[in-house]
Amino acid sequence: GAVVSQHPSWVICKSGTSVKIECRSLDFQATTMFWYRQFPKQSLMLMATSNEGSKATYEQGVEKDKFLINHASLTLSTLTVTSAHPEDSSFYICSATGQVNQPQHFGDGTRLSIL
Amino acid sequence: KQEVTQIPAALSVPEGENLVLNCSFTDSAIYNLQWFRQDPGKGLTSLLLIQSSQREQTSGRLNASLDKSSGRSTLYIAASQPGDSATYLCAAVYGGATNKLIFGTGTLLAVQP
Repeated sequence: GAVVSQHPSWVICKSGTSVKIECRSLDFQATTMFWYRQFPKQSLMLMATSNEGSKATYEQGVEKDKFLINHASLTLSTLTVTSAHPEDSSFYICSATGQVNQPQHFGDGTRLSIL
Repeated sequence: KQEVTQIPAALSVPEGENLVLNCSFTDSAIYNLQWFRQDPGKGLTSLLLIQSSQREQTSGRLNASLDKSSGRSTLYIAASQPGDSATYLCAAVYGGATNKLIFGTGTLLAVQP
């Protein structure tokens, strides 16, 4: 149980393109989803927290107009990297939890490469 | 500021050795602490979760301890195997409505056959 699916697993696109990443909870209702970013050989940095039906809460230094997060249902959250540039290339991982203070379940990540 | 650090950053051991990975956190008001494993280019696999009221958790060859007063946790791996090679991350969970994980810097483990 508690499976989180993230899609796509890898995307390569040209600079200026907008890229959407999906995070789905397959067998539970995710009231809260989290988006993380990981640079090579570095740890995960929380980008934003999203609760179903409300606006995402972004961490300090994360541009909300650059990284659009939508959590319209209890099983799906999306992260859209708008007008992506090479510096946005990174590994993005989502997680989901059904209840406050319950363990987060992680997706397999999306490797984004901007040329 | 809530920070989590891990020592060592990298570790190489021969197969069969027992080893200890260290994690320290600056804010002792944690809700719980988790240890994860990450294989190259992959997501996270949860290994152990220790509630703030607990002192240790065990799963197979893995044992994690928690000392809130000193702000430390350790992950003990017994009889290491080449398949244990991965990056190990600890994360401090701070409670309340945010359920926020603060990740450590990770330890890259290589177990040599």
